[in-house]
Amino acid sequence: AQSVTQPDIHITVSEGASLELRCNYSYGATPYLFWYVQSPGQGLQLLLKYFSGDTLVQGIKGFEAEFKRSQSSFNLRKPSVHWSDAAEYFCAVAPGGGFKTIFGAGTRLFVKA
Amino acid sequence: SQTIHQWPATLVQPVGSPLSLECTVEGTSNPNLYWYRQAAGRGLQLLFYSVGIGQISSEVPQNLSASRPQDRQFILSSKKLLLSDSGFYLCAWSVGTSGGGLTETQYFGPGTRLLVL
Repeated sequence: AQSVTQPDIHITVSEGASLELRCNYSYGATPYLFWYVQSPGQGLQLLLKYFSGDTLVQGIKGFEAEFKRSQSSFNLRKPSVHWSDAAEYFCAVAPGGGFKTIFGAGTRLFVKA
Repeated sequence: SQTIHQWPATLVQPVGSPLSLECTVEGTSNPNLYWYRQAAGRGLQLLFYSVGIGQISSEVPQNLSASRPQDRQFILSSKKLLLSDSGFYLCAWSVGTSGGGLTETQYFGPGTRLLVL
């Protein structure tokens, strides 16, 4: 069965520091991969997605993610975090041809001044 | 451009009372529609999805039901709420395909926070 693991429940980084949020998935083939962000009390907003092609994907708000097939990972990165990036981040995997996007449990990002 | 609306934004209901949450999408036709529940500190759980009017697929057995009376309207209901129904309910849509069943990017509404007391 497909699954998504986000090992870090929460992460705290200083403003201006770099960020990496981890995501590992379990699926027999290459899935569609997504990162979403959720501000408190809000819906989810798509940051970026990977379907095929270049394994380094650029998204909105200065985020990028790299798909590594050998590690079944799709980690999210940002070189310099801003206080407004404080939110919860969800990695998701969707097997091609199906409706069942599976979300990780989320990683809450705290940004300290 | 496409927009998705959910209401109410917040709802407090007693145990055993009925529920009706509504979701509507504008600016697109024949979307795939989804209901998710997000419990505190947990990820999203897919409850229902729909590929067309009157077509509902349930992912998790529970006391909730969903209906799609119109192309861009998706309703989540319950006859009798349980305490465990508390959570944040998110509606989402994705581009529908004529063949049905191709996963695409999902776009989420602002959510409804439900508290059952």
